[in-house]
Amino acid sequence: GAVVSQHPSWVICKSGTSVKIECRSLDFQATTMFWYRQFPKQSLMLMATSNEGSKATYEQGVEKDKFLINHASLTLSTLTVTSAHPEDSSFYICSASSDSGDAFFGQGTRLTVV
Amino acid sequence: AQSVTQLDSQVPVFEEAPVELRCNYSSSVSVYLFWYVQYPNQGLQLLLKYLSGSTLVKGINGFEAEFNKSQTSFHLRKPSVHISDTAEYFCAVSDETGGFKTIFGAGTRLFVKA
Repeated sequence: GAVVSQHPSWVICKSGTSVKIECRSLDFQATTMFWYRQFPKQSLMLMATSNEGSKATYEQGVEKDKFLINHASLTLSTLTVTSAHPEDSSFYICSASSDSGDAFFGQGTRLTVV
Repeated sequence: AQSVTQLDSQVPVFEEAPVELRCNYSSSVSVYLFWYVQYPNQGLQLLLKYLSGSTLVKGINGFEAEFNKSQTSFHLRKPSVHISDTAEYFCAVSDETGGFKTIFGAGTRLFVKA
């Protein structure tokens, strides 16, 4: 099956700094990718839809200026958490969908802000 | 918009007993349905998926699910569980109207007791 690679798998950063997470589709072109956040013992919540060559579409309640999404190519989307604070500590997961409707998820990135 | 309801937040079961994890969805169009398992501090692992074709879907680790369009359900079953099946299970749905974004249920914690 298709592979989506997410990097880094974990990161610790200081409060106030920015962190970039990469999501790559390794063997197919993804015009659309998705970013999710998961707090401990909770489900995955969709944050935004990343569209290649255009602005991301954010879900209600997600700050677009805090969570910057860039989808510069058909195989790469990035999520940058700007001016991170401890409450941004979470598990972030990306996914890409094929034209057939199948979904492929990255391994996730555990962000800890100290 | 599509949505997913997992009817049980926790399911305790004895080892070697059968188990069913319930999932109902809502969508106005044809859907794609998924079950994922998540072990502590890990990413998602796909158990099985329904994209089209046979309504009975067999997945990994002995799990299967049946797509029931009239009841809008996609319940997950296993005839005999093991201690190692203890994990969080997520039902998910996507469709074309949402650009194939995947929406997750709240999750069901399966706890297998010896």
